[in-house]
Formats: sequence, C-alpha cells, structure tokens
Amino acid sequence: SQTIHQWPATLVQPVGSPLSLECTVEGTSNPNLYWYRQAAGRGLQLLFYSVGIGQISSEVPQNLSASRPQDRQFILSSKKLLLSDSGFYLCAWSVRAAEAFFGQGTRLTVV
Amino acid sequence: AQTVTQSQPEMSVQEAETVTLSCTYDTSESDYYLFWYKQPPSRQMILVIRQEAYKQQNATENRFSVNFQKAAKSFSLKISDSQLGDAAMYFCAYSRGGAQKLVFGQGTRLTINP
Repeated sequence: SQTIHQWPATLVQPVGSPLSLECTVEGTSNPNLYWYRQAAGRGLQLLFYSVGIGQISSEVPQNLSASRPQDRQFILSSKKLLLSDSGFYLCAWSVRAAEAFFGQGTRLTVV
Repeated sequence: AQTVTQSQPEMSVQEAETVTLSCTYDTSESDYYLFWYKQPPSRQMILVIRQEAYKQQNATENRFSVNFQKAAKSFSLKISDSQLGDAAMYFCAYSRGGAQKLVFGQGTRLTINP
C-alpha cells in the first residue's frame, strides 16, 4: 500500500535561518506531489506542485522554493525564513485517480 | 482558473441529526473530480468522499453522501446521524485529474453538539 512520510512534525526556526522540509512517498510511481500551506483556521494554499522529477510549478511568489530530486521525494526549502513563513505545511501525492493523500504535516514557527 | 467556494465558515448540528455543507465551484471543463476532505484537530487531512463529474449518480459512503448538481456547479455534503467524531474542518476540493492540481475551498468548521 502507499504511504507518505513528512518530517519533521514540528519545527521552530529563527528569522533568517534556512529551511528544509522533506516528503517521501512509498508504494507508487510517478505521483503528482504537492506542498500546501495552511494558516491557523484557514484553507489550504497550494505552494508548489510537481508532475515529475525536476518539474516544479510555483503557484504563489514567495520566499520558498521546492525541488524534486527523485521520483518520490519532494523538498520544500527556504534560504532565509521570514516571520510570515510560519504555518502548517502539508505534503500530498496523487495519481490519475485525482484525489490527494496527505502527510501528517509540519508545524513551522518562525521566531 | 478553477475556484472552489464554501460559503459557510461554521456550522453546528445536534448529535444524531443531519447536516449539509455547501460547496460551489467554477470551471469551464466538462470532465473533472470533486472531493470532500475532513481535517480533525490532529490536522491530518482525510478523504471523505469523491465524485466523478461524468457520473450522474451521487456518491455515498456510509453516513456521508453528496448532492452533485453539475449544471449549477454545486457539490454539497450531507452527513446523516451526526456523531461527535464528525467534528472537524471540512474542505471541498476540485481536480481535473491526471497531471492537474487539486484546488481547495476555504473550509467549513463543523461542531457537533451533544
């Protein structure tokens, strides 16, 4: 069966520090991969999605970037975090059936 | 661009009663998918139900059912016999499938009153 791993679960980082969140998927090939951000009590904002290795679509101009070095690995990065980068980050995957399956999320607090 | 709108930021229902959550969407496509996701306090996103636009029959999963009105671009979720464990944020979502992205509404917070 397919599983998705996202880590870390919680992260507290100072302003100006770098960020790397990692997501890996098992049990499927060539999935679509997504990074979403969710502010407290709000909806999901799509940040990046990828349909293949090295193929990244950015939905919102911001301080973040994404990379997909392997088929089932998706990384969210920042060179210098801002206070406004705080939030709950969710990784997800989907295939042709269209519904997305989500990781457990990372709660990022920038201080 | 496709958009999904949930006009009810909050809803509440008595335990064992029925509640309906509303969702409308905007698309020029004829073939697509619609979903309802549940996000409990743990914040894990859980797929509740899915609907293919080409199917006229409304999807049902146990106590959860949808009312899909393609012409009206409406996709509501009905929860029957509400249980305390149904308390969560509920998100409506749209996708064209394949290599297309999944777009979410802003969510409806559902409270179950005992």
